[in-house]
Amino acid sequence: AQKVTQAQTEISVVEKEDVTLDCVYETRDTTYYLFWYKQPPSGELVFLIRRNSFDEQNEISGRYSWNFQKSTSSFNFTITASQVVDSAVYFCARAYTGANSKLTFGKGITLSVRP
Amino acid sequence: NAGVTQTPKFRILKIGQSMTLQCTQDMNHNYMYWYRQDPGMGLKLIYYSVGAGITDKGEVPNGYNVSRSTTEDFPLRLELAAPSQTSVYFCASSRQGQGYEQFFGPGTRLTVL
Repeated sequence: AQKVTQAQTEISVVEKEDVTLDCVYETRDTTYYLFWYKQPPSGELVFLIRRNSFDEQNEISGRYSWNFQKSTSSFNFTITASQVVDSAVYFCARAYTGANSKLTFGKGITLSVRP
Repeated sequence: NAGVTQTPKFRILKIGQSMTLQCTQDMNHNYMYWYRQDPGMGLKLIYYSVGAGITDKGEVPNGYNVSRSTTEDFPLRLELAAPSQTSVYFCASSRQGQGYEQFFGPGTRLTVL
């Protein structure tokens, strides 16, 4: 099965530091979707971003930015000027097109931002 | 909109007991999913449904059953609980398939002793 790998398991930074969360994926198709979800300590999963495989433009949303590189099969997530509220588990995921396609998650990265 | 709601929030079962985890969404989404989350393992898909009356197995379906009689509801049934089913269970829904944003419920923490 094609995997989604989040090699970093835990990251700890001090508030205001920049931090990058890595995601490397395998794919059998040229068309696919990539996602990042956030799971704060309260436990619910929150959608952050969805990216189509044909759109390699990097995206910025406030302090969040995403770097998509098909050449290296990576979809990395950077938080600029981290805050304590960014402390959470972050999941990268991949899905193919089609109604019966499955969403495959990475194992998640636990980010701790210390004051 | 309440979004996706799940009940109960917590449950302790004895080995061999049965229970149903409830999931309801009020967004009129056709697609619904059940995942389990084990520590350090990410989320794994148990079952999913592409519409009322249609369900299919995910990656880890053994020991579970589902039904989808309405668009809103997608209950997950555990027939003979085993310790290996101790996990956090999430229900999710999406307007279209898994290539689109999924909305998650708050989760059910299940312990089987």
